[in-house]
Amino acid sequence: AQSVTQLGSHVSVSEGALVLLRCNYSSSVPPYLFWYVQYPNQGLQLLLKYTTGATLVKGINGFEAEFKKSETSFHLTKPSAHMSDAAEYFCAVSRASGNTPLVFGKGTRLSVIA
Amino acid sequence: KAGVTQTPRYLIKTRGQQVTLSCSPISGHRSVSWYQQTPGQGLQFLFEYFSETQRNKGNFPGRFSGRQFSNSRSEMNVSTLELGDSALYLCASSLSENEKLFFGSGTQLSVL
Repeated sequence: AQSVTQLGSHVSVSEGALVLLRCNYSSSVPPYLFWYVQYPNQGLQLLLKYTTGATLVKGINGFEAEFKKSETSFHLTKPSAHMSDAAEYFCAVSRASGNTPLVFGKGTRLSVIA
Repeated sequence: KAGVTQTPRYLIKTRGQQVTLSCSPISGHRSVSWYQQTPGQGLQFLFEYFSETQRNKGNFPGRFSGRQFSNSRSEMNVSTLELGDSALYLCASSLSENEKLFFGSGTQLSVL
């Protein structure tokens, strides 16, 4: 079975500061990994995904994540936070082979302080 | 291209009633997945349909059911509603398996 653990249900950063949202996964087979963002009263939007190849993945809005197999991690970062980044962020995992549904972490709410 | 459309946006029901939620996927998408989102449990997978066939099912009681029509539109039904069914129900569509999911804005269900 696959699972995702997001460390910290709430993270608060100052505008312009580094954003780091942590995600660790558990998977017995090669995983596909995703980060989604959810703004208030909206559905989820894909930020980035890792399937195979380069372990540093760049996404939209200046976010990136690095797949570290040895640490079973897929942390999300952004060098400089903007007020518009305030939202809930979800890490998700699925199997690289076969059709399996996405398993989501419980989410991390990011607050950006002016 | 229109996104994933879910109707209704908000719904209030009482315990014991049943409810049907609708999802229209992005044109050309054949896979539709449903998720339940609650503050305590986060996003939990309900089921996935592909070309009118249920391909995956989550760990929910039989009161939760769904179907997909030939035009890929999908409905989910919850019978004998319980207070704990209050949640945001999200529908997502994709072209095929392991492809990017596109989410709708959800249906907020409140059970009183």
